[in-house]
Amino acid sequence: EAQVTQNPRYLITVTGKKLTVTCSQNMNHEYMSWYRQDPGLGLRQIYYSMNVEVTDKGDVPEGYKVSRKEKRNFPLILESPSPNQTSLYFCASRSTDTQYFGPGTRLTVL
Amino acid sequence: GEDVEQSLFLSVREGDSSVINCTYTDSSSTYLYWYKQEPGAGLQLLTYIFSNMDMKQDQRLTVLLNKKDKHLSLRIADTQTGDSAIYFCAESDTGRRALTFGSGTRLQVQP
Repeated sequence: EAQVTQNPRYLITVTGKKLTVTCSQNMNHEYMSWYRQDPGLGLRQIYYSMNVEVTDKGDVPEGYKVSRKEKRNFPLILESPSPNQTSLYFCASRSTDTQYFGPGTRLTVL
Repeated sequence: GEDVEQSLFLSVREGDSSVINCTYTDSSSTYLYWYKQEPGAGLQLLTYIFSNMDMKQDQRLTVLLNKKDKHLSLRIADTQTGDSAIYFCAESDTGRRALTFGSGTRLQVQP
């Protein structure tokens, strides 16, 4: 079954404690991306990756890092989380015309 | 930059048709999408349309695209309570693979 998986699904942490949200896809897609969803703002792209070792900033990259060492995985790293990064995060991978989303990770930073 | 706008809320009675509207600004948009998000869930791709099409129908869903006015609509026939969700319009072009999302329309279906 084609899918995008994320872990963890829920996370509560404290300001400044580094965390990583993992993302994995089994469709051999080259393009992957991270979005955050906030009330009234829809989804905004954080970072994207066109292929292995190729990453670039999206619309709201501040406070985030990513890596793409292998095609299937695209982790999102928060080196020093802050309360304004409390949000719902979605990983996605894209074929030619369709984007598949993971189930989401709800992050709360206290 | 690119912008996608939707109304925030729509309420309909069960059995009626729902029409959710979306406008976008990017004239180079190639793909236009409708996603559904149920409470606590991720985004489910409902349907998409290429910019060279005017209409696409898929069972109870009808997508209409007015490229001149940059207006996209999603019509849900015979709306059911299970259709209650947030519906997101999104667009992208072939060069920019990121999707630009609207803020979502919350559809409430009353029994």
